[in-house]
Amino acid sequence: GESVGLHLPTLSVQEGDNSIINCAYSNSASDYFIWYKQESGKGPQFIIDIRSNMDKRQGQRVTVLLNKTVKHLSLQIAATQPGDSAVYFCAENRNNQGGKLIFGQGTELSVKP
Amino acid sequence: DAGVIQSPRHEVTEMGQEVTLRCKPISGHNSLFWYRQTMMRGLELLIYFNNNVPIDDSGMPEDRFSAKMPNASFSTLKIQPSEPRDSAVYFCASSLPFSGADGYTFGSGTRLTVV
Repeated sequence: GESVGLHLPTLSVQEGDNSIINCAYSNSASDYFIWYKQESGKGPQFIIDIRSNMDKRQGQRVTVLLNKTVKHLSLQIAATQPGDSAVYFCAENRNNQGGKLIFGQGTELSVKP
Repeated sequence: DAGVIQSPRHEVTEMGQEVTLRCKPISGHNSLFWYRQTMMRGLELLIYFNNNVPIDDSGMPEDRFSAKMPNASFSTLKIQPSEPRDSAVYFCASSLPFSGADGYTFGSGTRLTVV
């Protein structure tokens, strides 16, 4: 029979506001962490990454913060736009595992115009 | 650059039939990954190859699943026999080894429905 699917956590923001998407990870041995954006019908698309020896990295309109003490990762999107609406995944990578990515559950971002 | 190319985009098949999913990695990338995405389990790595050699297949669910990479420009994921619980979106990704996450590129996926 059919199984009931999980509902992704959802974040709804107004266009122009800042968005913060959070992620918890479990393995302190990860070498770097990545944020991906997935739009409907497409594969995950790289947004930004951060090495485990850093605590902050900025890109264009996005900032990733890493708190190793509490094993927490966040993605901040400035001036959120309707085109930012998507599901966002965090992932972790360990270099000694040859590029194998472990993905988090995902958060659905909905931007209201 | 055409990116990672997967085919077919959609596949509907009857339970018990054999299904073959195909992937063409980005030219020059020598690592290739197969992922499965479902609502229940999210994105899971099934298997990955380095230089056409399977390195880690611990994510392959069971013997019904098999993957091959006969050359650097082509890989297949086969399910035989298929079951309704195999319904999911299957993604292929490729990268240069240890290139960092920005060199890791996903295809658009194959949506498989087994009825």
